[in-house]
Amino acid sequence: DAKTTQPPSMDCAEGRAANLPCNHSTISGNEYVYWYRQIHSQGPQYIIHGLKNNETNEMASLIITEDRKSSTLILPHATLRDTAVYYCIVRVKFRNDMRFGAGTRLTVKP
Amino acid sequence: GAVVSQHPSRVICKSGTSVKIECRSLDFQATTMFWYRQFPKQSLMLMATSNEGSKATYEQGVEKDKFLINHASLTLSTLTVTSAHPEDSSFYICSASGGAPYEQYFGPGTRLTVT
Repeated sequence: DAKTTQPPSMDCAEGRAANLPCNHSTISGNEYVYWYRQIHSQGPQYIIHGLKNNETNEMASLIITEDRKSSTLILPHATLRDTAVYYCIVRVKFRNDMRFGAGTRLTVKP
Repeated sequence: GAVVSQHPSRVICKSGTSVKIECRSLDFQATTMFWYRQFPKQSLMLMATSNEGSKATYEQGVEKDKFLINHASLTLSTLTVTSAHPEDSSFYICSASGGAPYEQYFGPGTRLTVT
């Protein structure tokens, strides 16, 4: 599977948009970009995924560059409860395995 | 969305004893379940993959005789840590997949402390 690179940590002010980048320069044509987050001492929570088009749901937006080598997860109005480790994962959708990198520790500050 | 539960949420056991952790898919049939381990301030590491009715496939470096996995039904998988030692203390997380398109749903995790 292609690997991802994320900044180890980021801060964001409460109420502002949090933009979390992810580089996946070796992504293959059939690999999707998935985002999960893990709040302290809990299991990972699915956020969003996409192939090449931008995606939006009730939690976040996912912007994938045209060359698909990078993406950005956007939390439009970050709250203190969004403080978590955010994982960007690339995987073939119809394969079972999922491998986690180090992720980005997002801290939302009042 | 699909719900996965784990039991217990926390367990403390003495060194040398065995402990069993259950993972259940509550509202779907999980053809495949995964077990992860997470040490403090580290990412999740895949330990093994189990398909219902088959032997589990273990990742390199994970002792299959120490971490016994049973996936006897489409809604239940168990992980038994045998002869636990303090270095086995960790956060154990399961996930379940119900077949195509192979989305994974994660449990809340089990905190194991071996004294």
